[in-house]
Amino acid sequence: DGGITQSPKYLFRKEGQNVTLSCEQNLNHDAMYWYRQDPGQGLRLIYYSHIVNDFQKGDIAEGYSVSREKKESFPLTVTSAQKNPTAFYLCASRSSGGPQETQYFGPGTRLLVL
Amino acid sequence: AQSVTQLDSQVPVFEEAPVELRCNYSSSVSVYLFWYVQYPNQGLQLLLKYLSGSTLVKGINGFEAEFNKSQTSFHLRKPSVHISDTAEYFCAINSGNTPLVFGKGTRLSVIA
Repeated sequence: DGGITQSPKYLFRKEGQNVTLSCEQNLNHDAMYWYRQDPGQGLRLIYYSHIVNDFQKGDIAEGYSVSREKKESFPLTVTSAQKNPTAFYLCASRSSGGPQETQYFGPGTRLLVL
Repeated sequence: AQSVTQLDSQVPVFEEAPVELRCNYSSSVSVYLFWYVQYPNQGLQLLLKYLSGSTLVKGINGFEAEFNKSQTSFHLRKPSVHISDTAEYFCAINSGNTPLVFGKGTRLSVIA
């Protein structure tokens, strides 16, 4: 089945630790996105990538980093500089057919701070 | 800059009653419009989208939405809700090569 997988489903971070969230898609989509979701705040864009080896900051990129070495993979690292990382993180992808194309979402990773 | 406003953060409704979730947007260019649904602890799933043509769009699970360009609105409706419709609903817009811009969501609670 085609789709987007995110792992792990739950992730715990200790103070001062960097953690990496995985996002993989087998939809052959060029564009991939990372969102952070907090209660009552909707979805806020962290980073996005329209092509391999290129990515752009979203609205809340501080404290996060990404890489896009392969078309199907777009991992997100939450660094120790992100002081309030507890949230639900969603990865999405979309084909390059244009803005009318549907953006598909993964099941999410919930990050909790110990 | 583009923005989306979902006018109600929470909407309680009795089972089998009709519901309308309101969405207004702001953009200086033409946009495409989307409604997504999110069930607890899951990702978002597309309900419907408006690209062009008829302003009334039908989606999955019996939902429909009407695009009103003059009022810059894209309200979501269902004539009779079920308990299983309890979820969070997000309105979003898109244009050009930019990422989707989302509203803050409306939590629909269906009461038995």
